[in-house]
Amino acid sequence: GAVVSQHPSRVICKSGTSVKIECRSLDFQATTMFWYRQFPKKSLMLMATSNEGSKATYEQGVEKDKFLINHASLTLSTLTVTSAHPEDSSFYICSARGPGLAGKRDEQFFGPGTRLTVL
Amino acid sequence: QKEVEQNSGPLSVPEGAIASLNCTYSDRGSQSFFWYRQYSGKSPELIMFIYSNGDKEDGRFTAQLNKASQYVSLLIRDSQPSDSATYLCAVINAGNNRKLIWGLGTSLAVNP
Repeated sequence: GAVVSQHPSRVICKSGTSVKIECRSLDFQATTMFWYRQFPKKSLMLMATSNEGSKATYEQGVEKDKFLINHASLTLSTLTVTSAHPEDSSFYICSARGPGLAGKRDEQFFGPGTRLTVL
Repeated sequence: QKEVEQNSGPLSVPEGAIASLNCTYSDRGSQSFFWYRQYSGKSPELIMFIYSNGDKEDGRFTAQLNKASQYVSLLIRDSQPSDSATYLCAVINAGNNRKLIWGLGTSLAVNP
């Protein structure tokens, strides 16, 4: 149980294009999803928290108009990187948390990540 | 002072030994404590979570929590080369949208 998938796993795009990343909880309902970014050999950086049916809460310094987050259902959240530039190249990881798992309260389960390369 | 602190390592142990990873946190109101393992180029994987003082064992892993001293540790018994990874300590404080506050991780190398 507690499986989270991400798609695509890897994407290469040209500068100026937009990229959408999907995060799905496969066997539980994720009331909250988190989006992280991680640069090589650096720690995880939380970008935003999204609750199903609500607007995402962005961390300080993260541009909400550039990183669009939609959490329209209890099993799907999307992150769209708009007008991507080379400095947006990174490893983007989602995680999901849900109240529906027996005995589980605060645990976050991570997707496998999406490696974005902007040329 | 960082909210969650870990020794960056690398911590090097021989195969079969016990690896001991430590983490301290600053917020006395912290409620939930997690250990994640992250292999290079991969996403974090939840190894252990602990909510109450004391020890919690799962297979070769034991998490220990001491709220009075504000530390949480992870013991890995019979360490294997496949345990070589970065171990991330994470804490949830009261409020704060219950988001994880991360340590920077400890790199563990298990030598055959």
